[in-house]
Amino acid sequence: DGGITQSPKYLFRKEGQNVTLSCEQNLNHDAMYWYRQDPGQGLRLIYYSQIVNDFQKGDIAEGYSVSREKKESFPLTVTSAQKNPTAFYLCASSAQPGQSSGNTIYFGEGSWLTVV
Amino acid sequence: AQKITQTQPGMFVQEKEAVTLDCTYDTSDQSYGLFWYKQPSSGEMIFLIYQGSYDEQNATEGRYSLNFQKARKSANLVISASQLGDSAMYFCAMREGLRGGYQKVTFGIGTKLQVIP
Repeated sequence: DGGITQSPKYLFRKEGQNVTLSCEQNLNHDAMYWYRQDPGQGLRLIYYSQIVNDFQKGDIAEGYSVSREKKESFPLTVTSAQKNPTAFYLCASSAQPGQSSGNTIYFGEGSWLTVV
Repeated sequence: AQKITQTQPGMFVQEKEAVTLDCTYDTSDQSYGLFWYKQPSSGEMIFLIYQGSYDEQNATEGRYSLNFQKARKSANLVISASQLGDSAMYFCAMREGLRGGYQKVTFGIGTKLQVIP
């Protein structure tokens, strides 16, 4: 079945460590997104990408980095520079507007990151 | 300035009644899209409805309808005949940059809806 796979679902990180969250999609979507959600809060955009090897900073990109070497993959690295990384992270993708299913944004099941 | 504003942190509705969740947006784009998503306590994001800025008719999907008032920049979600399973967080979102630019999608802070038996 087509969809978005995020891994791991739960991750614990020690302070000062970098950690990478995986996001893979087999929907053949061009656009991919990373969001952060804090308890009781909305989704805040970290990074987004329209095509391979290109991505844009979202509203809260500081302390995060991404890559888009393949269309299917958009991993997010939470670096030690991110002061408060404990949160729920959601990856999403969408087709181009006008394409089939272009008016829907598809989400993965999310990854819970906890700093210990 | 906030791109998406949801002013109702929490709402209660009686089962079988209708409820309106408010959403206003801010954009200078002429072409944009508006979404509503439901997030139950499990955390999954469930797509409910989409409205394009050039769509003349208000979008409807089953019990969900979107009251789109372009001049007021509002895109309220109406849920008819509320069910207990509708209890969840509801997020309004906007996609900008549809004219060949980077398609940025921003979300509001959400409204927590609780349906009362």
